[in-house]
Amino acid sequence: AQRVTQPEKLLSVFKGAPVELKCNYSYSGSPELFWYVQYSRQRLQLLLRHISRESIKGFTADLNKGETSFHLKKPFAQEEDSAMYYCALGQGGGNKLTFGTGTQLKVEL
Amino acid sequence: GAVVSQHPSRVICKSGTSVKIECRSLDFQATTMFWYRQFPKQSLMLMATSNEGSKATYEQGVEKDKFLINHASLTLSTLTVTSAHPEDSSFYICSARLGGVSTDTQYFGPGTRLTVL
Repeated sequence: AQRVTQPEKLLSVFKGAPVELKCNYSYSGSPELFWYVQYSRQRLQLLLRHISRESIKGFTADLNKGETSFHLKKPFAQEEDSAMYYCALGQGGGNKLTFGTGTQLKVEL
Repeated sequence: GAVVSQHPSRVICKSGTSVKIECRSLDFQATTMFWYRQFPKQSLMLMATSNEGSKATYEQGVEKDKFLINHASLTLSTLTVTSAHPEDSSFYICSARLGGVSTDTQYFGPGTRLTVL
């Protein structure tokens, strides 16, 4: 069965420090991975997806099929990055999303 | 663009009553909408996939007779929680997929907080 694991419920870093939010997945088919972000009092929104291979707001994520991981990284954290981050696995061409439990990122001054 | 709204944002009802939640794509047509449920401090769990003009596809463990989904137009899907009980209290979130390709992005609504007394 498909599963997405985000081991950290809370990650606290100082402004300017590197950030890495971990995500591991379990899926027998060809995965499509996403990162969604939810800022305080806002709705869930797509941050990036692995097939796009793009950097959004300084964040990048590389799909590592060998390690079944899709960690989210940013070299220098900003205060506005504080939010809840969800890793999601898409199946059936991304039609069905399975979400991880989320990691709350807190960037401190 | 690609805005999804939900109504109501918050609802409190008595046990045994039915509650309808609307999900609308405001500036695009959505052939497919999704309904999720989120318990406090837990992740979003997909309940069902709603396709315009056809029956919804429910995930395993979700009672289709309890959670009625109707997707009558390309911009509106409704979720009706029938004979609601306190254990149905949760945060219900819908999303709509822009376009007909399965890899297209899902856009999420702001969610509806349901409290059943």
